[in-house]
Amino acid sequence: DGGITQSPKYLFRKEGQNVTLSCEQNLNHDAMYWYRQDPGQGLRLIYYSQIVNDFQKGDIAEGYSVSREKKESFPLTVTSAQKNPTAFYLCASSSTSSYNEQFFGPGTRLTVL
Amino acid sequence: QKEVEQDPGPLSVPEGAIVSLNCTYSNSAFQYFMWYRQYSRKGPELLMYTYSSGNKEDGRFTAQVDKSSKYISLFIRDSQPSDSATYLCAMKGRDNFNKFYFGSGTKLNVKP
Repeated sequence: DGGITQSPKYLFRKEGQNVTLSCEQNLNHDAMYWYRQDPGQGLRLIYYSQIVNDFQKGDIAEGYSVSREKKESFPLTVTSAQKNPTAFYLCASSSTSSYNEQFFGPGTRLTVL
Repeated sequence: QKEVEQDPGPLSVPEGAIVSLNCTYSNSAFQYFMWYRQYSRKGPELLMYTYSSGNKEDGRFTAQVDKSSKYISLFIRDSQPSDSATYLCAMKGRDNFNKFYFGSGTKLNVKP
């Protein structure tokens, strides 16, 4: 089955810790994205990557970092610099032939204790 | 003012009703319009995708775009309890492929 996987589904972090959220896709998509979703708000773009070894900041990149060493993988690190990291994090991807259709993973719920 | 406005609901309807979900936007450069369905604690699922103005139908779902009014709609016919979810609209312009603008979502509850 083709799709996007995110792990873990739930993640708990103590204040001051860095955590890394995994995103893997087997759709052969070039572009990958990370969004943050908070109750009552739309999806906000954190980072995106068009090709391997290249990525760009989105609207709310502060306190986050990413890497894109492989086409299939786009991990997101939530650093201790992120002031309010508790949220639902969504990874998405799209193909170069149809950038207008984004496909989403199942999400990771991060809670800071 | 947000780029995309969407009534958060919740919208509660009886099973079998016709549902109308709407978004308004301010940027006349938007040309691609999407509707996503998101069940609780799940990732959004792409339902409909339309380009420019007009209607698009897929089964019980119809997406409508009125660019002159900067208004898009999703109609659900013969609504089912399984349609209960949050519906997100999304849109983007032609040039910046990586920038999608999302509405905040409308929560729909279809009562059996």
